[in-house]
Amino acid sequence: NAGVTQTPKFRVLKTGQSMTLLCAQDMNHEYMYWYRQDPGMGLRLIHYSVGEGTTAKGEVPDGYNVSRLKKQNFLLGLESAAPSQTSVYFCASSYPADGAGEYNEQFFGPGTRLTVL
Amino acid sequence: DAKTTQPNSMESNEEEPVHLPCNHSTISGTDYIHWYRQLPSQGPEYVIHGLTSNVNNRMASLAIAEDRKSSTLILHRATLRDAAVYYCSRFGGSQGNLIFGKGTKLSVKP
Repeated sequence: NAGVTQTPKFRVLKTGQSMTLLCAQDMNHEYMYWYRQDPGMGLRLIHYSVGEGTTAKGEVPDGYNVSRLKKQNFLLGLESAAPSQTSVYFCASSYPADGAGEYNEQFFGPGTRLTVL
Repeated sequence: DAKTTQPNSMESNEEEPVHLPCNHSTISGTDYIHWYRQLPSQGPEYVIHGLTSNVNNRMASLAIAEDRKSSTLILHRATLRDAAVYYCSRFGGSQGNLIFGKGTKLSVKP
């Protein structure tokens, strides 16, 4: 089991360029998440998905788009990168919450370090 | 404010217990409290979670206040490998109300 993998590991973009971050999981998890981590800010949820073909906004969705065409993959897109999007991006996956709202543990990938000049 | 509050940093001696506090005074009745930790240059790792009752697992214990406005993560015997940033988080809601705290950096001295 590879768990959660992210590509690429590092990337440098110029302002206005676009790119897609790929997250893949082999645990058959329904839920997938994209977070960003900035110094002193902890982790903030960008978008998440509760199943194939469904996505929803998290705390900081502006400037990002996502797609979940296959259950095992969750893509995060930056259409026009800005310096404020310089960050470390983490993907995570989990089994679904149960009927009582109990969220299961999330499994995180190793992260993608993105710099926008 | 919906976020959790933690001390920025704490120190411990090796093989001593560590109590990491977290304040979540605005938590709703259905939000679960989750703790994760992050080693340098790695993704976060799940530690433990609970709702109302105290919880134990092989990694740690979670003590939740009766009014649920605060909780404490307990590492029973700190090791050098426990040096990490510990995040207190609240998860709840049918559509994923996932709020991570800013974390406590734990240093463990030999």
